[in-house]
Amino acid sequence: QSVLTQPPSASGTPGQRVAISCSGSSSNIGTNYVFWYQQFPGTAPKLLISTNDQRPSGVPDRFSGSKSGTSASLAISGLRSEDEADYYCGAWDGSLRHFVFGPGTRVTVL
Amino acid sequence: QGQLVESGGGVVQPGKSLRLSCAASGFSFSSYAMHWVRQAPGKGLEWVAVISNDGSTKYYADSVKGRFTISRDKSKNTLYVQMNSLRTEDTAVYYCAKGYSGSYYPSNYWGQGTLVTVSS
Repeated sequence: QSVLTQPPSASGTPGQRVAISCSGSSSNIGTNYVFWYQQFPGTAPKLLISTNDQRPSGVPDRFSGSKSGTSASLAISGLRSEDEADYYCGAWDGSLRHFVFGPGTRVTVL
Repeated sequence: QGQLVESGGGVVQPGKSLRLSCAASGFSFSSYAMHWVRQAPGKGLEWVAVISNDGSTKYYADSVKGRFTISRDKSKNTLYVQMNSLRTEDTAVYYCAKGYSGSYYPSNYWGQGTLVTVSS
């Protein structure tokens, strides 16, 4: 049972906007950065968003991150078929004294 | 940039030990924290452990604390995890990952993973 909560699935049609939530607490999201990772089946995860809302080089600007209080959100605008993947939020938890991943959200393009 | 290559995975019986290695190249290994992250078959990512750039600080997930030991050898640019008292629930693909600059967050540089199967 993760201390971060994500919906198990999200979906949209090509071109739509999809948002994935990540809910935590004051010991993790509330006081520390949120990172987002994208993973395709059988491959290693890829960093999608760092420090709440920063896109690493090479990540399309269709992906955006935000944080407010103890929750964060990843938005994918202009959804494409190649965005079908699992998305994980992650944050340092000061009470647990370790990093935690959310359970992951599978995005499906209808 | 950088490259990370894990090795040491395999099939091991419950209660036995295994050591995984992660060879790093293409970046200043001693400048970054390093992580182990695992993924059980069909499951999500589970963070396992992190070691600071100089090896002086280590943090572990509760599920492995007391059984796993993370370490690094700067002369060999290699990260390790010693896994003792293995359980069936430790079965997973184990990834090493470079830390994000100046933090204990995994960055964009991950290995390809090595599969550990704990089974009798």
